[in-house]
Amino acid sequence: AQSVTQPDIHITVSEGASLELRCNYSYGATPYLFWYVQSPGQGLQLLLKYFSGDTLVQGIKGFEAEFKRSQSSFNLRKPSVHWSDAAEYFCAVATGNQFYFGTGTSLTVIP
Amino acid sequence: NAGVTQTPKFQVLKTGQSMTLQCAQDMNHEYMSWYRQDPGMGLRLIHYSVGAGITDQGEVPNGYNVSRSTTEDFPLRLLSAAPSQTSVYFCASSYQRGGNSPLHFGNGTRLTVT
Repeated sequence: AQSVTQPDIHITVSEGASLELRCNYSYGATPYLFWYVQSPGQGLQLLLKYFSGDTLVQGIKGFEAEFKRSQSSFNLRKPSVHWSDAAEYFCAVATGNQFYFGTGTSLTVIP
Repeated sequence: NAGVTQTPKFQVLKTGQSMTLQCAQDMNHEYMSWYRQDPGMGLRLIHYSVGAGITDQGEVPNGYNVSRSTTEDFPLRLLSAAPSQTSVYFCASSYQRGGNSPLHFGNGTRLTVT
């Protein structure tokens, strides 16, 4: 069965510091990959997606992610974090007609 | 466009009661789905639909029913509410089936079963 692992439950970074959120997936072929962000009390908003082609994808709000087939990873990065980036981040894999989500990483930003 | 609209935003039920969570989208999306979000467990798929008249089960379908009579609407029915169904429920839609179209989410319904 497909699965998505986000090994970091909670991360704290200082404002202006760089950020990397980890995501590993389990799937035989190249899946469709997504990162979503959820602010408190809100639904999930798409940050970026990978379907094929260039393995480094750019998203909204200055985020990027890199697909590494050999490591089955799709890590999310941002060079300089802003206080408004504090939220919960979810990695997702889509195969067939089903989307599978990781358990999420909660990001705290220290001023 | 309103996007994906869920009602109600909050609901409290007693054990054994039934209710319907409403979901509507105005983007002419083919694919619609329901998730529940529980602490430490991420989002788990309950049911999904790839078009009007077509539904299928996800990871955690027990205790829930769905139907898709129109492209726009995809209600989720709780037949006999149980405390284990206390959760936040999200409806999501995408332009087409197959996973190569991202999901658009509603703002959720927070359900408490006492």
